[in-house]
Amino acid sequence: SQKIEQNSEALNIQEGKTATLTCNYTNYSPAYLQWYRQDPGRGPVFLLLIRENEKEKRKERLKVTFDTTLKQSLFHITASQPADSATYLCALDENRDDKIIFGKGTRLHILP
Amino acid sequence: EAQVTQNPRYLITVTGKKLTVTCSQNMNHEYMSWYRQDPGLGLRQIYYSMNVEVTDKGDVPEGYKVSRKEKRNFPLILESPSPNQTSLYFCASSVFGQPQHFGDGTRLSIL
Repeated sequence: SQKIEQNSEALNIQEGKTATLTCNYTNYSPAYLQWYRQDPGRGPVFLLLIRENEKEKRKERLKVTFDTTLKQSLFHITASQPADSATYLCALDENRDDKIIFGKGTRLHILP
Repeated sequence: EAQVTQNPRYLITVTGKKLTVTCSQNMNHEYMSWYRQDPGLGLRQIYYSMNVEVTDKGDVPEGYKVSRKEKRNFPLILESPSPNQTSLYFCASSVFGQPQHFGDGTRLSIL
């Protein structure tokens, strides 16, 4: 069956360290993959988009990689801060059509 | 300010009483979408629309209807709501293939 999995439901990281979140998918051939941040009771907010022909994208302390052979994306937050604590969602286009599929998210806690 | 506006933000209603959740965007986006979010299940797409008068089913369309008569509006209609439709609902819009802008959500409780 087709699915998209994020590595863990929750992740605790010490402040200042790098947080790495994983998004794995099977049976899809997405043209792009996106990462969103969601705070409790709020709508997701876009962070980064990476296309199938891109290996890596960066934005300030954020970095995302995309390996279409492994069918995996890694999302890194360097020099993590307590304000980075949130749920992070990955999303992809299902087989290049119009449908968007989200992972269930990883709750990240940055410990002071 | 670019935004997606959903109304109402909160609604408690009873089984079988038709309701509509409105969604409006001011960014001239072609693509609009409705999601529901439930604990342990994540965000699931209900319906999406590529443009005016073009709509299609997402993963969980049962019990919902949508319409896209104008580019800016994409209402979600529950003709006969049931308790299993109690959820947090999000509307989103984008240029297709670009990041989605989400509304602040509508929390629906069906008793």
